Amino acid sequence: EVQLVESGGGLVQPGGSLRLSCAASGFTFSDFEMNWVRQAPGKGLEWVSYISSSGSTIYYADSVKGRFTISRDNAKNSLYLQMNSLRAEDTAVYYCARFRAFYGMNVWGQGTTVTVSS
Amino acid sequence: SYVLTQPPSVSVAPGKTARITCGGNNIGSKSVHWYQQKPGQAPVLVVYDDNDRPSGIPERFSGSNSGNTATLTISRVEAGDEADYYCQVWDSSSVVFGGGTKLTVL
Repeated sequence: EVQLVESGGGLVQPGGSLRLSCAASGFTFSDFEMNWVRQAPGKGLEWVSYISSSGSTIYYADSVKGRFTISRDNAKNSLYLQMNSLRAEDTAVYYCARFRAFYGMNVWGQGTTVTVSS
Repeated sequence: SYVLTQPPSVSVAPGKTARITCGGNNIGSKSVHWYQQKPGQAPVLVVYDDNDRPSGIPERFSGSNSGNTATLTISRVEAGDEADYYCQVWDSSSVVFGGGTKLTVL
């Protein structure tokens, strides 16, 4: 079964850090580009970051640039999001999603919740 | 930055046809994807590359894209289609989502 499972969310104080993980199974992880997408409570989907299949190309949304770092370990079938200098507005459910430009995001994880609050 | 505009809400009676639009500058030149999201669940891809359907998505879901508007069409709407729908494109090294449309089945 093709599956993505996120972990690492939780409650963190403003200015703190968290590292999210996304474990892939059921497909050849190294063949696919990946994205992180988040959804604040009651709001729409917001793209966070993209990484190519090899990890050589990376993009970020302006709202997280300089604070978040995406990475992957193809040997471990895992995607990561290191989040530093967290703000209240980063509070959201964070999803990882498998991606190809002309095929969209056709596999999503169940999401992990990040709450930034004092 | 590129902006995608969706109506906040669309209402339709069961058995009728729902059309959800996604406006963007020359969006017809881009590949548009559509996602369905039900409360408490992750999004699900329902149309990719303007008008193709992933396996398992009913033929009732279709898409079109021309000029400055892309459209998701849901025929013979069912109660189970009630959800939020998002359009998405790739533009200048970023993923762009529309603001989402809440589909209400009357």
